[in-house]
Amino acid sequence: AQTVTQSQPEMSVQEAETVTLSCTYDTSENNYYLFWYKQPPSRQMILVIRQEAYKQQNATENRFSVNFQKAAKSFSLKISDSQLGDTAMYFCAFMIRRGGSEKLVFGKGTKLTVNP
Amino acid sequence: EPEVTQTPSHQVTQMGQEVILRCVPISNHLYFYWYRQILGQKVEFLVSFYNNEISEKSEIFDDQFSVERPDGSNFTLKIRSTKLEDSAMYFCASSGGIINTGELFFGEGSRLTVL
Repeated sequence: AQTVTQSQPEMSVQEAETVTLSCTYDTSENNYYLFWYKQPPSRQMILVIRQEAYKQQNATENRFSVNFQKAAKSFSLKISDSQLGDTAMYFCAFMIRRGGSEKLVFGKGTKLTVNP
Repeated sequence: EPEVTQTPSHQVTQMGQEVILRCVPISNHLYFYWYRQILGQKVEFLVSFYNNEISEKSEIFDDQFSVERPDGSNFTLKIRSTKLEDSAMYFCASSGGIINTGELFFGEGSRLTVL
């Protein structure tokens, strides 16, 4: 069974600073996908960044980047130049794609607060 | 930008009552999902639906739950006889458009409170 662990229930950061959210996962699969989703208060989850396991290069999306360590099964999210709008729950998620199913397994989430 | 919409945003019901949660997925998507999040806990997979049938379901998705795509646009989750422990936020999601990146698009959720 696949599991995703986020060891930081809550974090805070000052505006304009950098913060890293950690995520580890467990799987015996070799081909899979990893995601970070953001859930602002009372809003739907939206995708922040995705990483295919077969790609060695770490994904980057503007101020968001990941440190993907496949051997260590680690997938941390770095947010640079934090903004007030980054305040949200952040969920790390794991996916295996099989015909007819793209099930996401989520971690428990990290509540990030960006302070002015 | 296309989005997944869910109704109702909040429903309060008595234990033992039937509840139907509705979702309108993004129109060209092929895969549909229900997830739930009990307050303070992780988001859990309930069921995936593809080609008009359930493709995978979790242990949570027992005989009290059913899904349907009755008219080609709506995707519903029915709980036949609600229990107190069904109180949760229920998220619908869809994926698998023309360019399938694996990204799931989520609705804003339906909060179900069972009294």
